[in-house]
Amino acid sequence: NAGVMQNPRHLVRRRGQEARLRCSPMKGHSHVYWYRQLPEEGLKFMVYLQKENIIDESGMPKERFSAEFPKEGPSILRIQQVVRGDSAAYFCASSPNGANEKLFFGSGTQLSVL
Amino acid sequence: SQKIEQNSEALNIQEGKTATLTCNYTNYSPAYLQWYRQDPGRGPVFLLLIRENEKEKRKERLKVTFDTTLKQSLFHITASQPADSATYLCALALGGTASKLTFGTGTRLQVTL
Repeated sequence: NAGVMQNPRHLVRRRGQEARLRCSPMKGHSHVYWYRQLPEEGLKFMVYLQKENIIDESGMPKERFSAEFPKEGPSILRIQQVVRGDSAAYFCASSPNGANEKLFFGSGTQLSVL
Repeated sequence: SQKIEQNSEALNIQEGKTATLTCNYTNYSPAYLQWYRQDPGRGPVFLLLIRENEKEKRKERLKVTFDTTLKQSLFHITASQPADSATYLCALALGGTASKLTFGTGTRLQVTL
């Protein structure tokens, strides 16, 4: 049973470009969470999605960031017009249901903005 | 404001000793608390969960305590091994949904021979 798959592992973008981060949850999991981790800082919650629904986006910046989890395919975290401050490790986690307390994390995408 | 504090300094211990890591929190009333392990360049891996009405939880060489009066959790690794070297994160949940997990910054543990 494959774990949570994230790609790419490393993504380099120039300021003003778009970044797309993909996450395939564990088989049987329909709940996806995105976290951001800056150096020397803890993981910060960004957004919680179920298939085709955004459940909680209280951690998402108001502009330039969006997330989706379509009926078919992976969850996508999209960052438009990236700035240097967006450079961070972005982790996706999944769980089989929203009441499940344990999260299964992917290996993350390291975004570097030049 | 709400805050989770873990010792930012690395903890260095000798193989075979017990490692004790601390997680303190303020202005939270968590339903449960979790501990995760994170290796460099990897995502966190779940280790243990302890609920607000539980005092202690064990799993193999791991033990977690939860004191809601002191607002503190202690994480112990007995008979530590070099393979236990990693960063350990505590995370708090408010209510019943994992979406509200708030993480501490973690404590790096280094176990030497």
